[in-house]
Amino acid sequence: QVQLVESGGGVVQPGRSLRLSCAASGFTFSSYGMHWVRQAPGKGLEWVAVISYDGSNKYYADSVKGRFTISRDNSNNTLYLQVNSLRPEDTAVYFCAKGYSTSDYWGQGTLVTVSS
Amino acid sequence: DIQMTQSPSTLSASVGDRVTITCRASQSISTWLAWYQQKAGKAPNLLIYKASSLESGVPSRFSGSGSGTEFTLTISSLQPDDFATYYCQQYNSYWTFGQGTKVEIK
Repeated sequence: QVQLVESGGGVVQPGRSLRLSCAASGFTFSSYGMHWVRQAPGKGLEWVAVISYDGSNKYYADSVKGRFTISRDNSNNTLYLQVNSLRPEDTAVYFCAKGYSTSDYWGQGTLVTVSS
Repeated sequence: DIQMTQSPSTLSASVGDRVTITCRASQSISTWLAWYQQKAGKAPNLLIYKASSLESGVPSRFSGSGSGTEFTLTISSLQPDDFATYYCQQYNSYWTFGQGTKVEIK
């Protein structure tokens, strides 16, 4: 069965960096685009970034452009999100989601808390 | 960027009620619209894609309609498991979500 497992979240000071991971299994990872979506505590869903199946195309929300980098390792079935220059407003649960258009599978999320 | 506006933000209803949620896009997105259900502490769950196609395994009491800029999600007879937050999502150009509609017990 399809599984997406995020990791790498934690408490970090403003201005610092983290690398989030999403380990995929149960499907042919290298055939699918993948997204990162975040949700601040008590708030709605915010799209963050998308990467094509082969990593050749990447797009970002304006709120994270220049600070976040999406990447993937198809040999290890893993999606990444490098998050730099973190701000308090980046505090959220970060979800990975399978599929370039809609997504029928999401991970359970990893919490990033930006606080001094 | 495409903006998505959902209404209402909160909806109070009883078991058995017919419920309708509206989503409006800031520009035409054809039928590139999905609806998700999210329960507290959980990931979103896909209900409807391409505006009106029911995802496999989703109960038939859920239906979607619309095209262009106006869309609706209807629950024909609200069940106890349906109390949750619902989001529309456009995928015509990357992704944008509506702000969500919380369906509460009346």
